[in-house]
Amino acid sequence: AQSVTQPDIHITVSEGASLELRCNYSYGATPYLFWYVQSPGQGLQLLLKYFSGDTLVQGIKGFEAEFKRSQSSFNLRKPSVHWSDAAEYFCAVGSGYSTLTFGKGTMLLVSP
Amino acid sequence: EAGVAQSPRYKIIEKRQSVAFWCNPISGHATLYWYQQILGQGPKLLIQFQNNGVVDDSQLPKDRFSAERLKGVDSTLKIQPAKLEDSAVYLCASSLEVTRNEQFFGPGTRLTVL
Repeated sequence: AQSVTQPDIHITVSEGASLELRCNYSYGATPYLFWYVQSPGQGLQLLLKYFSGDTLVQGIKGFEAEFKRSQSSFNLRKPSVHWSDAAEYFCAVGSGYSTLTFGKGTMLLVSP
Repeated sequence: EAGVAQSPRYKIIEKRQSVAFWCNPISGHATLYWYQQILGQGPKLLIQFQNNGVVDDSQLPKDRFSAERLKGVDSTLKIQPAKLEDSAVYLCASSLEVTRNEQFFGPGTRLTVL
């Protein structure tokens, strides 16, 4: 069965500092991987996705993620965090006709 | 391009009452999903439609939850009767290509069961 682990429930980062959110997945075949962001009271917005090809993918709002098959990871990064990035971030895995499985999320807090 | 629409945005009911949520997907998206998101957790798929047919409803509590997508466009999710543990945000999503699973989400309906 497919699964996603986001080991950090909360992360606090100073504004302007770099950010890395961890995501580990378990999937039997080649996965499709996604990062979504959810602001309070809002639905999920797709930040970026990996289907195949270049393992470093660029997304919206200056985010990027790197697929590492050997580590079963798909960590999200941003070089300089803005206060508006404070939100909850979800990693998800799926492929083809299989349903998406989401992690439990990481809440990002940005300190001044 | 209009996004996924959901209504109502908030609903408060007492246990054993019934409630219904409505979703209108992005135009042209054949696949529609309903998720339940309990506080502190990621979304969990309840049901997936391809046009007006059910693809996956393995995690739908069928004794109390039902969903339909009669004309292959908008959809309704119903809970009858509601339990306290049904308090959650109900998210609707749609995708153009089911094979790539790139889903677009609506704002959700926050349900509180008292």
